[in-house]
Amino acid sequence: DVKVTQSSRYLVKRTGEKVFLECVQDMDHENMFWYRQDPGLGLRLIYFSYDVKMKEKGDIPEGYSVSREKKERFSLILESASTNQTSMYLCASSIDRRFPQHFGDGTRLSIL
Amino acid sequence: KQEVTQIPAALSVPEGENLVLNCSFTDSAIYNLQWFRQDPGKGLTSLLLIQSSQREQTSGRLNASLDKSSGRSTLYIAASQPGDSATYLCALLYTGTASKLTFGTGTRLQVTL
Repeated sequence: DVKVTQSSRYLVKRTGEKVFLECVQDMDHENMFWYRQDPGLGLRLIYFSYDVKMKEKGDIPEGYSVSREKKERFSLILESASTNQTSMYLCASSIDRRFPQHFGDGTRLSIL
Repeated sequence: KQEVTQIPAALSVPEGENLVLNCSFTDSAIYNLQWFRQDPGKGLTSLLLIQSSQREQTSGRLNASLDKSSGRSTLYIAASQPGDSATYLCALLYTGTASKLTFGTGTRLQVTL
């Protein structure tokens, strides 16, 4: 069965910290995505990657960066966490680079 | 700006009822439309995908329809069960916007005993 694993279900960090969210997929997919989900706003794409070391900005990349050093792993980095980055973060992978197919269970991140 | 609307935001029905969830969109230049299910505190699970050229897709008790001319998709759930309780989201892939699905905000469904 396909699996997208996010390293933390819940995470609490402080303002100004550098935060790493990790995502691993076991399906050998080339395409991986990071979304954030907020009440009333739905899911919004932060970044996606269609190959190792390749990345493209989504709709809301400000304040975030990503890393894709290996095909199976896609990391989201909050360079200097702020309270408005408190959210649910969802990682996904796909065969098709146009849309995500398999999602992880999410990381609920709180910035204090 | 493409907008995807799901009304109502929440719905409660008794077990056994047939129900319809709605998804409306303003731009009909779509490539495909997906319906997802999200359980509390979990990620999304893809339920059905309808290509632009199709009118409907079926999987078990679920049937999704697409009417581009009216800017509407519906998800029909037959003989609802408590296990169907979840949030249902529709998402559209528009032509010309590579790799960017536009999600609705979802309908939270509760099926009561």
